[in-house]
Amino acid sequence: DVKVTQSSRYLVKRTGEKVFLECVQDMDHENMFWYRQDPGLGLRLIYFSYDVKMKEKGDIPEGYSVSREKKERFSLILESASTNQTSMYLCASSPNDRVSEQYFGPGTRLTVT
Amino acid sequence: GENVEQHPSTLSVQEGDSAVIKCTYSDSASNYFPWYKQELGKRPQLIIDIRSNVGEKKDQRIAVTLNKTAKHFSLHITETQPEDSAVYFCAAGDTGGFKTIFGAGTRLFVKA
Repeated sequence: DVKVTQSSRYLVKRTGEKVFLECVQDMDHENMFWYRQDPGLGLRLIYFSYDVKMKEKGDIPEGYSVSREKKERFSLILESASTNQTSMYLCASSPNDRVSEQYFGPGTRLTVT
Repeated sequence: GENVEQHPSTLSVQEGDSAVIKCTYSDSASNYFPWYKQELGKRPQLIIDIRSNVGEKKDQRIAVTLNKTAKHFSLHITETQPEDSAVYFCAAGDTGGFKTIFGAGTRLFVKA
């Protein structure tokens, strides 16, 4: 059974703070993804990674960066948090032979005040 | 840009009735169409998917249909139960690609 975990379920940060969201998967998946989920907008892709140290921008990368130093771990970084980054953040992973079959983590609800 | 439209945004049915959620997509290159179910406070989970070489797929009470010509695909849930209440997301992508586009979601309420 695929397990994707995220470091926090709820997080409250202040405007301007640097925020780290961590995601770990235990299925040796090559691909990892970060989405944000907002009501009425579905899931929007922020960044993805297809290998260690490799990263690609998704549809809404502005204000975010990512890091993938190990295969199982994919971090999302908000360099200077802003109130419009208040959202639910979902991490996902998938294997190379089924890239689009993504397995999601439980999500981190981030509030920036 | 490419997008996926999903309707309705909210659907309320009586237990035992059927529910249908419809999606349209714009990218002709899409060939993989997964559906995710997200219960309140939980992660989205893949419940069924269909590939473009298939027109219909069934798994117990859920079925998906695909019309590639019209770029439509639908989720059908028969004999609905209260535990079917959740948000359902459709998505379109390609099996080897990284950018899966999600619909905005349908909140399904099944009334006992």
